[in-house]
Amino acid sequence: GAGVSQSPSNKVTEKGKDVELRCDPISGHTALYWYRQRLGQGLEFLIYFQGNSAPDKSGLPSDRFSAERTGESVSTLTIQRTQQEDSAVYLCASSYRTGRNEQFFGPGTRLTVL
Amino acid sequence: GESVGLHLPTLSVQEGDNSIINCAYSNSASDYFIWYKQESGKGPQFIIDIRSNMDKRQGQRVTVLLNKTVKHLSLQIAATQPGDSAVYFCAELNAGGTSYGKLTFGQGTILTVHP
Repeated sequence: GAGVSQSPSNKVTEKGKDVELRCDPISGHTALYWYRQRLGQGLEFLIYFQGNSAPDKSGLPSDRFSAERTGESVSTLTIQRTQQEDSAVYLCASSYRTGRNEQFFGPGTRLTVL
Repeated sequence: GESVGLHLPTLSVQEGDNSIINCAYSNSASDYFIWYKQESGKGPQFIIDIRSNMDKRQGQRVTVLLNKTVKHLSLQIAATQPGDSAVYFCAELNAGGTSYGKLTFGQGTILTVHP
């Protein structure tokens, strides 16, 4: 079946603008995770959802970052008043349940803030 | 704080050789350790994991070793192929509490396989 999809694949924006990144998880996956990957770095955890509840938001870098999820479906990550340091690849992953279950990653959204 | 790091940022091998990628971790409370492969322009792909109470686990052409005494994790790839060229990340998984399923990644090792 279809894997995790993310849109857009690339986003270039000007400093100070707001952006929305979208993630479509694998159907039936209740857990959804957002990560950020800076160039040449590993992935940094941002937030995860169990259903539409977000028990752990500890990775969100600032209050400019927020995320929501509709039921056990689409999630959006919103970055307000973007800064140049927000430039990175934003990756989404989903899994059947939380815990040990394998996380399947999408291809990511490459965000460039000019 | 928690951290997972790698000894070598790059590794070049000849096709057919065995590859060993190393990783050091600092959080002894992690439940699982996982290796991911990331090809250019793609998201990470699960390779193999090992539970914290195990020392060794084998998959197809890959073996993961866990040494809890020195907090060291390694990924061995047998008969490395050009298609194995990618960035390899180790990650630790906390499967309990509010961090249920949260992955903490290391910086990655670039593996290049020469034909």
